[in-house]
Amino acid sequence: GQNIDQPTEMTATEGAIVQINCTYQTSGFNGLFWYQQHAGEAPTFLSYNVLDGLEEKGRFSSFLSRSKGYSYLLLKELQMKDSASYLCAVGSWGKLQFGAGTQVVVTP
Amino acid sequence: SAVISQKPSRDICQRGTSLTIQCQVDSQVTMMFWYRQQPGQSLTLIATANQGSEATYESGFVIDKFPISRPNLTFSTLTVSNMSPEDSSIYLCSVGQRSSYEQYFGPGTRLTVT
Repeated sequence: GQNIDQPTEMTATEGAIVQINCTYQTSGFNGLFWYQQHAGEAPTFLSYNVLDGLEEKGRFSSFLSRSKGYSYLLLKELQMKDSASYLCAVGSWGKLQFGAGTQVVVTP
Repeated sequence: SAVISQKPSRDICQRGTSLTIQCQVDSQVTMMFWYRQQPGQSLTLIATANQGSEATYESGFVIDKFPISRPNLTFSTLTVSNMSPEDSSIYLCSVGQRSSYEQYFGPGTRLTVT
């Protein structure tokens, strides 16, 4: 199985940094993916990690440690528009299994 | 990234009827998938749409309930058959290439079954 756990909700202030953790148990996968989903919209691809380590993409960074079954998404310089659900997923060749998502609320 | 469109964007259907959802991509893609997102839930993979052959279904999903077609590398359909209120959900098409890990979702079809 691939149980994927992430916090239900996090609140942070505009301009701050928030780190969303994701833990998983899996027998094998190609990549660990992060998506952003605004209410009523489709998920938007943010990043993926294939190898252990940190991947940086502008204000967003994602980290993976396969040995620890752990990933995180780091959102820097938070903006109000970053208020959304963030989905952690593991998968191989497009077949993704998603966590329940973390609702991030950015306050002024 | 590919541009993905789905039709219809939303529909309200009666119990016992069927609805076919279309997914069109603006470029040829290796892989196409259908996901479901039930109210307040995360996404669940229904099946992989294989071009020119039968779809590959995930555990809990069967062809009789969710027949899928994929006649070419840019188009696929998902039919939700003999609908019940439990089928009320958002159905999303997803595409990717074997040469890349990036995967994208269509805008979704919001289905309500009464």
